[in-house]
Amino acid sequence: GQNIDQPTEMTATEGAIVQINCTYQTSGFNGLFWYQQHAGEAPTFLSYNVLDGLEEKGRFSSFLSRSKGYSYLLLKELQMKDSASYLCAVLDSNYQLIWGAGTKLIIKP
Amino acid sequence: NAGVTQTPKFRILKIGQSMTLQCTQDMNHNYMYWYRQDPGMGLKLIYYSVGAGITDKGEVPNGYNVSRSTTEDFPLRLELAAPSQTSVYFCASSRTETNEKLFFGSGTQLSVL
Repeated sequence: GQNIDQPTEMTATEGAIVQINCTYQTSGFNGLFWYQQHAGEAPTFLSYNVLDGLEEKGRFSSFLSRSKGYSYLLLKELQMKDSASYLCAVLDSNYQLIWGAGTKLIIKP
Repeated sequence: NAGVTQTPKFRILKIGQSMTLQCTQDMNHNYMYWYRQDPGMGLKLIYYSVGAGITDKGEVPNGYNVSRSTTEDFPLRLELAAPSQTSVYFCASSRTETNEKLFFGSGTQLSVL
């Protein structure tokens, strides 16, 4: 079966750095997405990786290793507004998105 | 620029009632999707459409129906509502199915009692 694993919840301090991991086992791979979802709101796109390596976009970076079935989202200089759930999703060989359950990130002052 | 507009935001249904969740997008996207999101679980695809007149089942289609008569609109119909359909529903759209990001509507919190 297809599976995406992420930690359920993480806590970090304002101003710090946090890394949210995602491991996947899917039938084929056509890219990996990260979305941010604030409580009670819709998911919004953060990043897309299809090749191995690190993609940096401001305070957020996303890394992919296809051989290890592994990705992480790195958030720097954490702000209170970064408190949200972070969803990892993989596009499989049929171009269907397989979603992880999300990681709830709690930022403390 | 409205993006994806989804209505209603909240709804309570009695078991056996029916309703339609409305979704419209103004980005001329070909691909549209309906997802449900349950606590502790990933988004599950209910139905999707690759263009007007074309729809297909996703992972959890039972108890739902869709239609796509225009590029803009993709309503989701619940027939004979059951408690298992209590969930948050999201409509989404994308230009293509490949590496294009999804644009989501604001969601519908549905409770079936």
